[in-house]
Amino acid sequence: TQLLEQSPQFLSIQEGENLTVYCNSSSVFSSLQWYRQEPGEGPVLLVTVVTGGEVKKLKRLTFQFGDARKDSSLHITAAQPGDTGLYLCAGAEGTYKYIFGTGTRLKVLA
Amino acid sequence: DTGVSQDPRHKITKRGQNVTFRCDPISEHNRLYWYRQTLGQGPEFLTYFQNEAQLEKSRLLSDRFSAERPKGSFSTLEIQRTEQGDSAMYLCASSSPGPYEQYFGPGTRLTVT
Repeated sequence: TQLLEQSPQFLSIQEGENLTVYCNSSSVFSSLQWYRQEPGEGPVLLVTVVTGGEVKKLKRLTFQFGDARKDSSLHITAAQPGDTGLYLCAGAEGTYKYIFGTGTRLKVLA
Repeated sequence: DTGVSQDPRHKITKRGQNVTFRCDPISEHNRLYWYRQTLGQGPEFLTYFQNEAQLEKSRLLSDRFSAERPKGSFSTLEIQRTEQGDSAMYLCASSSPGPYEQYFGPGTRLTVT
């Protein structure tokens, strides 16, 4: 089974700061997804990246899939308190199975 | 368009009791997943259905766990003789084949006392 490690585990920053979250594996994934999860709720899909080197932007969030499709990053510009939550990456193993990362808990202080 | 729904949202039960959770996926999605998530961790894969067929079951699932998707629509997850270690959030997700995009329900929080 492939493993996905996320770093950092916890991040507390001030409103307006930038941050980057990393998702790393030693194995190749056919695609990778990023989710945000709030307490007591299910994860909400943010983006899916499929092609090595792909970059996708969602407002202030920028997602990148590594060239070798083993790693990914999420960059948030000018973080806002509404960005607070647990960020999860998930890699597709085979044609239907997903392996989730360990998660990064982000807190943005006003 | 309704998303994935789960029922109940919360369940408190005594050790040794049986519990059953229900998941209603997005109607056109033929793939359905169950995950378990403990505090501070990412979701762990439990089982996968394609239509009504259960194609994979994690080794995490002991014989006390069983899941069904009788007509390829809603699914149930049953835990027999619950133990305190079963306390967790149980998440259901569905997807259509191809783009690998899963959509999650709000989860069922199980507390075993």
